Formats: sequence, structure tokens, C-alpha cells
Amino acid sequence: DTEVTQTPKHLVMGMTNKKSLKCEQHMGHRAMYWYKQKAKKPPELMFVYSYEKLSINESVPSRFSPECPNSSLLNLHLHALQPEDSALYLCASSQVGTGSGAFFGQGTRLTVV
Amino acid sequence: AQSVAQPEDQVNVAEGNPLTVKCTYSVSGNPYLFWYVQYPNRGLQFLLKYITGDNLVKGSYGFEAEFNKSQTSFHLKKPSALVSDSALYFCAVRPLIKAAGNKLTFGGGTRVLVKP
Repeated sequence: DTEVTQTPKHLVMGMTNKKSLKCEQHMGHRAMYWYKQKAKKPPELMFVYSYEKLSINESVPSRFSPECPNSSLLNLHLHALQPEDSALYLCASSQVGTGSGAFFGQGTRLTVV
Repeated sequence: AQSVAQPEDQVNVAEGNPLTVKCTYSVSGNPYLFWYVQYPNRGLQFLLKYITGDNLVKGSYGFEAEFNKSQTSFHLKKPSALVSDSALYFCAVRPLIKAAGNKLTFGGGTRVLVKP
């Protein structure tokens, strides 16, 4: 199994809603990532978890709250988002501290209305 | 700080012709280098990587890339492009040093359009 699975594929939410994005992998990877990608732009790193602990937070606003409940799962909790937060949110995983490439999920297309 | 530059926003090539997508990088120490491809409304697919060893790296779908340390470049190549290669290509870098964590930095992307 070389897949990273993200749900939902599409999400539309109001600015007062609370929602969560989910990511799952079963490759035994102990590093997991959240990236945000705007149209025709490169992915921007948001968070990195290594061994289920948050290791990198790229100064992301607190309305985005990551969670890594176990080595296979990564969540991104969303609350009080702004329309400019609309983007493709990508989850990725990799081995820790090696040259292995990161495997990406297909993303969640988020629209904030 | 690490950075990646892809100098071309778009590359147009006729089907059957060679394809080159350029990438230069800046990183402290030795790098891990990667190429990814992204089709519309999809995630990124891993194409190939350079860690150490042979400067010519072969990857998926007939792609290869050449690592040039003196020019700090890692250009992606394909000898004969297909229409289905039309997509957005990203170069990425990660330093070898552990202190950098698992932070992958992407270039701005190059759109490849292969015309029949």
C-alpha cells in the first residue's frame, strides 16, 4: 500500500463552521505533513509531525489546528476560516531523516464562503 | 535557508521532441533533490530523487534528471515527450542535515505543454 488517503475530497464551509480534514497512510511512515496549495502555485508547508509530535509549524494561524492521534493518522481541524483560506490542502508522509521522497495524497479542495 | 528556482513558468514542446525542465537550488550542505508532477486537481506524484552517487538519476515514466553540483542544478529530462506529459512539474529540495527536519521546499513550478 503506497497511498496517502485524504477525506473529504471537496469541502465547502462557512466562516463560522468547524470542520476537520483527515489523512491516513499505512506505509509505516513516521513523518506526516500538511501543505496548502493555491492555484498554479507550489505547495506551502504548514505543519510537520515526526513520530507523532509536532516538529515544524510554519507560523500558521491558530484557526488551523493539526492533530496526529497515531502513526497512521493526521487531522487538520478548521475553525473560523476566511475566504482567503480557500485552497487545496495536501497531506504527505515520508520516512523520518532519510532521503526518501514524500508521498502525497490527492488533496482536499476547500472553499470557504 | 534553502530555496529552489524554476526559471521557466511554462515549457512548450512538440510530441516526440526532447523535454527539459530546469531547476536550480540553494541549500546548506549536500541536498536531497526531488521532482514531482501534478495533474489538474490532483496531488503530487513522485517522479525521482537524487541523494548521492550517480549524477544521472532515472525515474518514473521515462524521466531522468542530472545533478550538477558545480552549477547547483537538477534539470529534469525526457528524451521523447508525450502529450500525456502535459502537467505541472515541481522541483524540491531538502538538506541532508538532521537539524532541518523533514522540511521540503518547492520551486515555483513549471507548466509543461506537449503539443501533438
